[in-house]
Amino acid sequence: KQEVTQIPAALSVPEGENLVLNCSFTDSAIYNLQWFRQDPGKGLTSLLLIQSSQREQTSGRLNASLDKSSGRSTLYIAASQPGDSATYLCAVRSDRGSTLGRLYFGRGTQLTVWP
Amino acid sequence: EAGVTQSPTHLIKTRGQQATLRCSPISGHTSVYWYQQALGLGLQFLLWYDEGEERNRGNFPPRFSGRQFPNYSSELNVNALELEDSALYLCASSLQTPYEQYFGPGTRLTVT
Repeated sequence: KQEVTQIPAALSVPEGENLVLNCSFTDSAIYNLQWFRQDPGKGLTSLLLIQSSQREQTSGRLNASLDKSSGRSTLYIAASQPGDSATYLCAVRSDRGSTLGRLYFGRGTQLTVWP
Repeated sequence: EAGVTQSPTHLIKTRGQQATLRCSPISGHTSVYWYQQALGLGLQFLLWYDEGEERNRGNFPPRFSGRQFPNYSSELNVNALELEDSALYLCASSLQTPYEQYFGPGTRLTVT
């Protein structure tokens, strides 16, 4: 069964720092990996999608990498701002027939950026 | 372009009752997914519908069921509600490829 782990569980940093959020998964049979942001009590906002054949995706101050063979992904946030404060979730989409379509989520990294 | 919409925003039910939650996908998306986010448990996959058919189901009892309509909207039904069904229920939609899932704001279900 696919298990997704995110480290750290929580992170509190001053504004302006560059951040690294880590995600690992146990089954390399993935179709793609998504990073999401969730504000308290709200839905999820998709930040980046990396297909299994890709190594990296960038959007503005965000950069995500994928090493499928080692079961790891990293989300890099440059020049963090207070508005980045949220919970960041990593999710992998299974490529196995029996679990096709499912997104398996990590527990998230709760990020606080203070002014 | 309108995003995924869900209704109602909040729903309060009594144990043993039935709850119906609704989801409208992004225009052009044929797949709809349902997830449960219970306090302290993280996001759990419930159901996946595509082109009106149930494609996959998570590890939830049969009292969790749903359907997808010809216009690709979907509803989730939870029968015989239990206290532990209290959670945020999130709906997502996607195209068939590249399967990027877009989420709605959720329905907060409270069972008393």
